[in-house]
Amino acid sequence: GENVEQHPSTLSVQEGDSAVIKCTYSDSASNYFPWYKQELGKRPQLIIDIRSNVGEKKDQRIAVTLNKTAKHFSLHITETQPEDSAVYFCAASTPRYSSASKIIFGSGTRLSIRP
Amino acid sequence: EAQVTQNPRYLITVTGKKLTVTCSQNMNHEYMSWYRQDPGLGLRQIYYSMNVEVTDKGDVPEGYKVSRKEKRNFPLILESPSPNQTSLYFCASSYAPGQGGQPQHFGDGTRLSIL
Repeated sequence: GENVEQHPSTLSVQEGDSAVIKCTYSDSASNYFPWYKQELGKRPQLIIDIRSNVGEKKDQRIAVTLNKTAKHFSLHITETQPEDSAVYFCAASTPRYSSASKIIFGSGTRLSIRP
Repeated sequence: EAQVTQNPRYLITVTGKKLTVTCSQNMNHEYMSWYRQDPGLGLRQIYYSMNVEVTDKGDVPEGYKVSRKEKRNFPLILESPSPNQTSLYFCASSYAPGQGGQPQHFGDGTRLSIL
């Protein structure tokens, strides 16, 4: 069935270093790929997204890359800071009938930034 | 302020006692959705609604009901709660995904414990 695999499940990096989280999706019709950040005890919040007609998108220290052929996309965080510590979720959205879209989330990556 | 409001935030109840978790959004969004979040499983969609009186099952609908009588409200109903429904629940809303997907706005979550 449709699924989104996310790796790694936990990631610890030194402050100032880069962090990379990878996701693979199964449905080749997926065309929208958001990333959400969830701080401890809080709601998920969108940090960046990419559509299938674009290969890369950047917003300050955060970037997302998409490889449609391989059906994977990645989140890159550069110059990590303590406030980047959180759980990150990727998701893939696939169009369905009647203007609906099905969205499937990855299982999450717990990112810890070591001071 | 644009927001998705869920109530209650916390609830401890017993098996079989019907409960309703309310969700309301003030952004005039067409699309609303319920998710449950369990450790290691990410966010799994329970039900979603494309508009008033239009609802459909997500990936884990068993044991849940929803209704969408007004555009702003999307309550989640557990007719006969069981312990395996103990989880953290999120309501989310967005503009109609159409064929391309839209970023979702999440509520603050409802932590349900079914004893």
